[in-house]
Amino acid sequence: DAKTTQPPSMDCAEGRAANLPCNHSTISGNEYVYWYRQIHSQGPQYIIHGLKNNETNEMASLIITEDRKSSTLILPHATLRDTAVYYCTPNTGFQKLVFGTGTRLLVSP
Amino acid sequence: GAGVSQSPSNKVTEKGKDVELRCDPISGHTALYWYRQSLGQGLEFLIYFQGNSAPDKSGLPSDRFSAERTGGSVSTLTIQRTQQEDSAVYLCASSPSAGARTDTQYFGPGTRLTVL
Repeated sequence: DAKTTQPPSMDCAEGRAANLPCNHSTISGNEYVYWYRQIHSQGPQYIIHGLKNNETNEMASLIITEDRKSSTLILPHATLRDTAVYYCTPNTGFQKLVFGTGTRLLVSP
Repeated sequence: GAGVSQSPSNKVTEKGKDVELRCDPISGHTALYWYRQSLGQGLEFLIYFQGNSAPDKSGLPSDRFSAERTGGSVSTLTIQRTQQEDSAVYLCASSPSAGARTDTQYFGPGTRLTVL
C-alpha cells in the first residue's frame, strides 16, 4: 500500500548536492511528507518532514511543490556516510509507516 | 539524548524454540511500534501501543506472535515455536505523541533473528 514513486537509484559525487525526488500524488490533506533513510544493516533514520512549506534542518532541506504532489529531499553537501536507501512516505504521523522501494543513493569520492 | 535501544542485537535460534525481543523506547515517548523487515523487503507493521489504550495487533502474522508493554515503557515481543520464515530484522520505533499536530517515529537498531 505504498503511495510513492521514487527513482530506484541515484549517484552523487562527494561534496556535491544530492537531490532526491519523490512523487506522492495521492497524498491526503492531513498527511505530512516524511523522509527516512536506512544505511545498510541499520534501523531507519528519521531525516525531515513537512506539510506544505519548505523545511530545513541540520541534515537536509525539503522542498514540497505547491500542489503537494511531489517533493525533493536535498542533501546540500553529500558525504560518503550519506550512502543509503532513502524513503519518502506520506503519513499523518499517527499511523504505521509504509515504505516503498526507496532510492538507493550512492555517494562516491 | 538516548535513542531507542533493542536487545539482543542478534539472535540465532532453532526452529520450534521461543524467543523474546526487547525494546527500550525513548524516555517519555508514549507510542511504541514493532515492525519487521525481511531481507530486501520493506517494513511490515506488527503491533502498536499508545499509552494505556488497547494495542493495535492487526499486523501480527499469527497467534505465535505476542507483545506486551509494561508500565508504558519497555516492550517485549515474543515469538513462540519459531519457524524459519520468522527470520528477519525486528525493528522497534517510538514517538512522543504529545498532542502535536503530527508525530515522528524514531527507530532502534533492530534485532536480527535467524531461525535455523
